This record gives sequence, C-alpha cells and structure tokens, in this order.
Amino acid sequence: GNSVTQMEGPVTLSEEAFLTINCTYTATGYPSLFWYVQYPGEGLQLLLKATKADDKGSNKGFEATYRKETTSFHLEKGSVQVSDSAVYFCALSGGQAGTALIFGKGTTLSVSS
Amino acid sequence: DTAVSQTPKYLVTQMGNDKSIKCEQNLGHDTMYWYKQDSKKFLKIMFSYNNKELIINETVPNRFSPKSPDKAHLNLHINSLELGDSAVYFCASSQLTGGAKNIQYFGAGTRLSVL
Repeated sequence: GNSVTQMEGPVTLSEEAFLTINCTYTATGYPSLFWYVQYPGEGLQLLLKATKADDKGSNKGFEATYRKETTSFHLEKGSVQVSDSAVYFCALSGGQAGTALIFGKGTTLSVSS
Repeated sequence: DTAVSQTPKYLVTQMGNDKSIKCEQNLGHDTMYWYKQDSKKFLKIMFSYNNKELIINETVPNRFSPKSPDKAHLNLHINSLELGDSAVYFCASSQLTGGAKNIQYFGAGTRLSVL
C-alpha cells in the first residue's frame, strides 16, 4: 500500500544552520505531496505542497521538490530560526490513497539560539 | 474567524463514558475528515465524509461513530471509552473538486484523556 517514510528525529540545530528533512514515499498512481508543520500545542498547518513531478513547493523559506525518479520530497531551509522549532510531517494523498492524507511519523526540529 | 473549529479543546473523562467531539468548517468545503494522533505523534485517518456521505471508514472500533448533519459539520461520538482511546483527535476539511488538489485544513485538535 501507500506509505511515507521520513527521517527520525529529533533534529537539533543552531540558528542559521541549514536544514534537510528527508522524506520518501511509496505510492501507485500520481499522488500529491505535502509538508505540514505542527507547533507545540497547535493543530497542523500546511507548509507547502507539490502536485506533480518536478514541482517545487515553497513557503516561509522552506522548499521541497517532487522527485518521481527517487520517490522523494525532501524539505530544506537555508537558515533556520528558533521560531521554526516544531514537528514536521510529510504526507501524500491521491492515487490509490484516495482522499485521505497518509502521513510520515513526523520529525521534531529544535533550533537553539 | 477560525476556518476549522473543534470543541472541546480538552476532554477528560472516565472509562466507560460516552463523549462527543464537534467540528465545524466555514470554508465551504465539501469533504471533512477525522484523524487520530497517538502519543508518538503518529497521525492516521479514521473517517471521511463527502457531501454528508461516508467515503472513508478505516479499521476503527464501532464504538466510534461519525455524524455529518450537513456539509459544514462532522461530529465524532465515542461510546464506552477505553484507556487506549486517549489521543489527540483532529478534524480537517478540503475541497475535492476544482483546482484545490485536496489541500486539507486542520482544526486545533481535541486532546482526549481517558482515566
């Protein structure tokens, strides 16, 4: 079945460091891919999305490119801030997954000043 | 105005009780969802309704019963609560038609603690 695998955390970085959170997926059909962020005590917010191969999603300095050949959607940011500390979820929907989002297990990011 | 709102935010109750969580969206979306987030933060779909019709019903105990009185509301009723039901429950909504590509918007969650 469809699944999402993302790197285990926690990821601990200093402010202004470069961030990569790896995400790979298994899916039949042509899923859409998403990154959601969950700040402490809050719900999930859509961070960025990509709906077809080679699309690049970007928002708030974060980027991810839909790579069909490597079935990947890695999240990157050039310079993280303390306010980026949160849990990041990679997710897919569509194809045989239907309309529900299938999530990875989440990666906790902690940024210190 | 909150786009997807859930009530209550916190729910503490005893084993064996029956409780409900309410969800409302003011985005005009046609599809609503319930997800469960466990203590390790893993999120999994429970139910989905499209235009008041049940379209996803994952392997969930039948003690859980969703109800959608209209497109803007999806409530979750849980009978005979068990310790293992303790989790955070998230409601979400999306628009399946048009160019929205099923972008799902989430509520703030309901933290259920069963004692």
